[in-house]
Amino acid sequence: AQSVTQPDIHITVSEGASLELRCNYSYGATPYLFWYVQSPGQGLQLLLKYFSGDTLVQGIKGFEAEFKRSQSSFNLRKPSVHWSDAAEYFCAVGPRGANNLFFGTGTRLTVIP
Amino acid sequence: EPEVTQTPSHQVTQMGQEVILRCVPISNHLYFYWYRQILGQKVEFLVSFYNNEISEKSEIFDDQFSVERPDGSNFTLKIRSTKLEDSAMYFCASSDGTENTEAFFGQGTRLTVV
Repeated sequence: AQSVTQPDIHITVSEGASLELRCNYSYGATPYLFWYVQSPGQGLQLLLKYFSGDTLVQGIKGFEAEFKRSQSSFNLRKPSVHWSDAAEYFCAVGPRGANNLFFGTGTRLTVIP
Repeated sequence: EPEVTQTPSHQVTQMGQEVILRCVPISNHLYFYWYRQILGQKVEFLVSFYNNEISEKSEIFDDQFSVERPDGSNFTLKIRSTKLEDSAMYFCASSDGTENTEAFFGQGTRLTVV
């Protein structure tokens, strides 16, 4: 069965500190992997995606993620967090294209001064 | 930058009433989707729509739900007889259908059934 696990419900980091948000997935076919961010009152904005090729992908706002097939993981990282990064982050997996995405439960990021 | 727009941003309706949520996908996109997020829970797929018909739907998308593209720009989700458990944030999304595409999501409509 397809599933996405984001084990951290809530993470608090200091501004300027590094960040890693974890995502593990279970998917029967070749996964297409995504990270979305949702700021309060906003929709879901795509940070980055992985379809194939280089397993380290760069996204917007200085985020990157690494696909590790052996660990079924797609962790999101940022070397230095900014206060504006405070938001809810969702990992998602799906088939080719954007159909029928499976989302994780999300990780809420709080940034403290 | 093109975006998916949804109206209204918040809708309150009485249980048993019909509600229509509206979306304007990105203009050159061919695939349209509805997802929902019950408060505190995952974002869940409801339905995908291509070429004027449903291409895939989840078990959540029962006979109470329907989708329509009434003209060249709008994409609607109708809930015929709302239940309390339909209260959720409903997201519309669209994609261009190319192989390595992603879905672009709207800002959501918060539906509250009272």
